[in-house]
This record gives sequence, C-alpha cells and structure tokens, in this order.
Amino acid sequence: EVQLVESGGVLVQPGRSMKLSCAASGFTFSSFPMAWVRQAPTKGLEWVATISTSGGSTYYRDSVKGRFTISRDNAKSTLYLQMDSLRSEDTATYYCTKYTFDYWGQGVMVTVSS
Amino acid sequence: DVVMTQTPVSLSVAIGQPASISCKSSQSLVGTSGKTYLNWLLQRPGQSPKRLIYLVSKLDSGIPDRFSGSGSETDFTLKISRVEADDLGVYYCLQGTHFPLTFGSGTKLEIK
Repeated sequence: EVQLVESGGVLVQPGRSMKLSCAASGFTFSSFPMAWVRQAPTKGLEWVATISTSGGSTYYRDSVKGRFTISRDNAKSTLYLQMDSLRSEDTATYYCTKYTFDYWGQGVMVTVSS
Repeated sequence: DVVMTQTPVSLSVAIGQPASISCKSSQSLVGTSGKTYLNWLLQRPGQSPKRLIYLVSKLDSGIPDRFSGSGSETDFTLKISRVEADDLGVYYCLQGTHFPLTFGSGTKLEIK
C-alpha cells in the first residue's frame, strides 16, 4: 500500500524557517518525481514545487522561488521542503504527492504568524 | 501561466441525476510528447485530494465508470452520469503540461 506521511508543520514567526518531511513507502520512491502542493485555509489547491527522480531538476512557483527548496533522499525514501523567509501568505496545509498526483499524503498545517 | 477556468463554482444535484463540470485552459494542454496532461481530482470534506481521471479521460483504478472525462486542447469536461451521496466534495481540474502547474478554482458538488 502506498503511503505518504508528512511531518514538521507547526506555528512559526514571519521571516523564520521550517522544514517539512514526507516519508514514502509502498512504491519505488526513487523512480518517481515528487511534488508539494498547498492549500490555504478555505482556499483551493496550489502547486508549490516539483523534483525529478534524481533530484537534479527542481521547479518552483514564482512566489516561493529563492525561499523554498525541494529535495529528496532516495536512500531514505523521503521528500523534503525547506521553507525560509516565511510569510503570512505561506500559511496553508502542505501536501506531499507523487508527481502523477495519484497518491497524496494527509497534509501538514503550517501557520506563519507572530 | 496557464489559467484554468472551471465552471460552475457550485452544483446542487439530486441523487441519480447527472452532473457536468467544465474546465477551460488559456492555452493548449497538448505536450511535446503529444499527450494532454489534464487531471480531475475530488477533495471530500476534511480529506486529501484524490485523483479520479488522468490524461483527459483515463479513469483511475477503483473509480466507478459513472465518472467520465472528455475534451481536447483547451476545453475539458468531467461528467457524472448518476450522482451518488459519496460524490459530494470539491472537484478540481489540474493541468500538468506547463510549469507552473495550475489548478482550476474548484467546483463544490452538493447533494440536493
């Protein structure tokens, strides 16, 4: 059974950093590009970033470019999202997903507030 | 960025009746491979999104054939032939052809 389990979400002050993790199991993690998608409270879905199988290629939405870093550890079957210089508008539930969007984690809430 | 215009915003449908959701993209979603990366997702209340359809019309495993997807280039439709109670939630279209990937704004399906 495919499982994606996010962790790391919490309350953080504007300007600070946070790192999310997503532990994958039930499939060959290293064979699939992965992505992060977020959803602000009561809002729709928004793609954040994508990473290739090796980690050699990464893609970001403009509003997080230069502040967020997606990475992966294929040996640990884990996906990461390093979020720096956080802003209030980054407040959202963050979902880890296979890039084919057929499997999603349960989501982790990130609140950016003073 | 590719804008995905999804209509209607909400839909109230009686059990057993059909439903239809439209998604129009601001540019063609045909990729360099010739494939069209258009997905439909359902997010039930309090749950993570779930993919229903990929590549315009391919049904995911376990999704009933009451659901169908159609369309091409910039114009796409999700149809439910006979709505059931379990179908309530918010439906999103998602284009995976062009970066940044973009979602439609969602259609909330309520049961009348």
